[in-house]
Amino acid sequence: GAGVSQSPRYKVAKRGQDVALRCDPISGHVSLFWYQQALGQGPEFLTYFQNEAQLDKSGLPSDRFFAERPEGSVSTLKIQRTQQEDSAVYLCASSLAGGETQYFGPGTRLLVL
Amino acid sequence: GENVEQHPSTLSVQEGDSAVIKCTYSDSASNYFPWYKQELGKRPQLIIDIRSNVGEKKDQRIAVTLNKTAKHFSLHITETQPEDSAVYFCAASTGNNDMRFGAGTRLTVKP
Repeated sequence: GAGVSQSPRYKVAKRGQDVALRCDPISGHVSLFWYQQALGQGPEFLTYFQNEAQLDKSGLPSDRFFAERPEGSVSTLKIQRTQQEDSAVYLCASSLAGGETQYFGPGTRLLVL
Repeated sequence: GENVEQHPSTLSVQEGDSAVIKCTYSDSASNYFPWYKQELGKRPQLIIDIRSNVGEKKDQRIAVTLNKTAKHFSLHITETQPEDSAVYFCAASTGNNDMRFGAGTRLTVKP
């Protein structure tokens, strides 16, 4: 079946621009996670949804970062007024239920100039 | 919260040799420990996982061991092949959607 998909795969933004990153989880997966992966580092947790409820957003680095999953399937991570330090790969993962294996999307590589 | 440390950060082995990557975790409530392989520019892919009710799990050339008392777990790859070259990440979770990852190990297998 189809895995987790993300779009766009690459995004170049000028400093100060807003960006929106999309994640399509595996159909039927209840849990959805966003991670930020800096070059040469492991995925760093940003936020977690169970269906449409955002249950943990403790990893969001600032109030410029906002995530939503209004219908409990597709999720969008929005970054307002992008800064150079936001440059990273943003990974989305989904799992069937809490505590289960997470399956990752290919990521969106964001470059802020 | 959970803190996962991973060593070494880079590892180079000759084809056919074994490779071992070690991780420690801080939260004694953690009970699920997956390992992911990430090739350059690709998504992390699960290669093996272990739950806290067992001490070892093996899948062909890959094995994972867990020591709950010491709070560490290890990935063992035997008979390494060039296609094993990638970055490997360990992770730990209590099962409450709180998975945290190590910083990764870049494995290079020289032909």
